[in-house]
Amino acid sequence: SYELTQPPSVSVSPGQTARITCSGDALPKQYAYWYQQKPGQAPVLVIYKDSERPSGIPERFSGSSSGTTVTLTISGVQAEDEADYYCQSADSSGTVVFGGGTKLTVL
Amino acid sequence: QVQLVQSGAEVKKPGASVKVSCKASGYTFTSYDINWVRQATGQGLEWMGWMNPNSGNTGYAQKFQGRVTMTRNTSISTAYMELSSLRSEDTAVYYCARPGGIAYYYGMDVWGQGTTVTVSS
Repeated sequence: SYELTQPPSVSVSPGQTARITCSGDALPKQYAYWYQQKPGQAPVLVIYKDSERPSGIPERFSGSSSGTTVTLTISGVQAEDEADYYCQSADSSGTVVFGGGTKLTVL
Repeated sequence: QVQLVQSGAEVKKPGASVKVSCKASGYTFTSYDINWVRQATGQGLEWMGWMNPNSGNTGYAQKFQGRVTMTRNTSISTAYMELSSLRSEDTAVYYCARPGGIAYYYGMDVWGQGTTVTVSS
């Protein structure tokens, strides 16, 4: 079955730039989406179609794509950005797939 | 505002079934698919399947084929997810979520608050 691979954890100091990657063979052909999830809360969409930002999401969140890897970048990380982040895409049969999630720690 | 409101927590015995509801408001219910996603405690997100509220068409993740049924009642703008033959591994928070685009596999920009299902003897 199709898999999306994320690093389990990323740590950054406040004000620095955090980069979270997501790798998958179908990513060159399928859009990727990114979600932020804080403890006890439902996920929130922060990036759609690889690099688009929904209204209300701070400009410090951005997305990019290169080959089989997509990247969520958070510039000028703030304490409130500490959360779990998940990438999501679909395989060629239309099955929705989530990455395993990355825990972002703000030191 | 656009929102999805789910039914309350459930406690079920192994082998039983559970039916979770998801009531939509603030938009035309039949214009967007509904996805169901679950999350066990301390684990990641797991997609279960989708339903088109207009046609009733569904698509289920292979893992849940034969155990999950997604339905809707358009008169009350409500989607349902029923999971049968419950086992302890089904203990999780279950979410309904609406994609932001015309297809179910688009990013989900509206989520329900989640329904905790506990399976215990």
